[in-house]
Amino acid sequence: EPEVTQTPSHQVTQMGQEVILRCVPISNHLYFYWYRQILGQKVEFLVSFYNNEISEKSEIFDDQFSVERPDGSNFTLKIRSTKLEDSAMYFCATRDSITYNEQFFGPGTRLTVL
Amino acid sequence: AQSVTQPDIHITVSEGASLELRCNYSYGATPYLFWYVQSPGQGLQLLLKYFSGDTLVQGIKGFEAEFKRSQSSFNLRKPSVHWSDAAEYFCAVCFKAAGNKLTFGGGTRVLVKP
Repeated sequence: EPEVTQTPSHQVTQMGQEVILRCVPISNHLYFYWYRQILGQKVEFLVSFYNNEISEKSEIFDDQFSVERPDGSNFTLKIRSTKLEDSAMYFCATRDSITYNEQFFGPGTRLTVL
Repeated sequence: AQSVTQPDIHITVSEGASLELRCNYSYGATPYLFWYVQSPGQGLQLLLKYFSGDTLVQGIKGFEAEFKRSQSSFNLRKPSVHWSDAAEYFCAVCFKAAGNKLTFGGGTRVLVKP
């Protein structure tokens, strides 16, 4: 069964450093999402992406965050200058245009900012 | 703004007993409704979904959920719990008019006693 993959599974970084989280969507999926889950809290929407542009973003998704699809396969989330409060699990989700609204989640990347 | 409430933060149930997890949403229209399960350190796995039609939906792992429009609820049930059902369960909604992003409830952690 096709699945969404994410790399790395764990990322430890120093405050102020840039990180890039990577997601490989299911091959025929065209809609992409990033969510995050701070430890012990609920999953929160960050951004949605379709047709090479952001469809919607939350108030969490400030200027420190960016997304892109650099090579037509990977979907990346970049945090330019990480803060302690960026420590969280980051989930990528993707969906196709047929089984609309059913998003398939990757296993997540745990980001720890020291 | 749309919101999802899971009133029970923790539930402890004996193995073999029945389980019901509550979920209420707040929005004017009927959303698409989902239940996800998250085992410790793992990603989100879709248990079941409701888009339209029969209000009682069957999912994987023996779970079912019932949509009640009058109560704005989508409660998850399982007749007989197994030890492997110990996990965190998240109810989520999305609205096509709101960009299809998922809004999650706070989660219910299920503990299973032998």
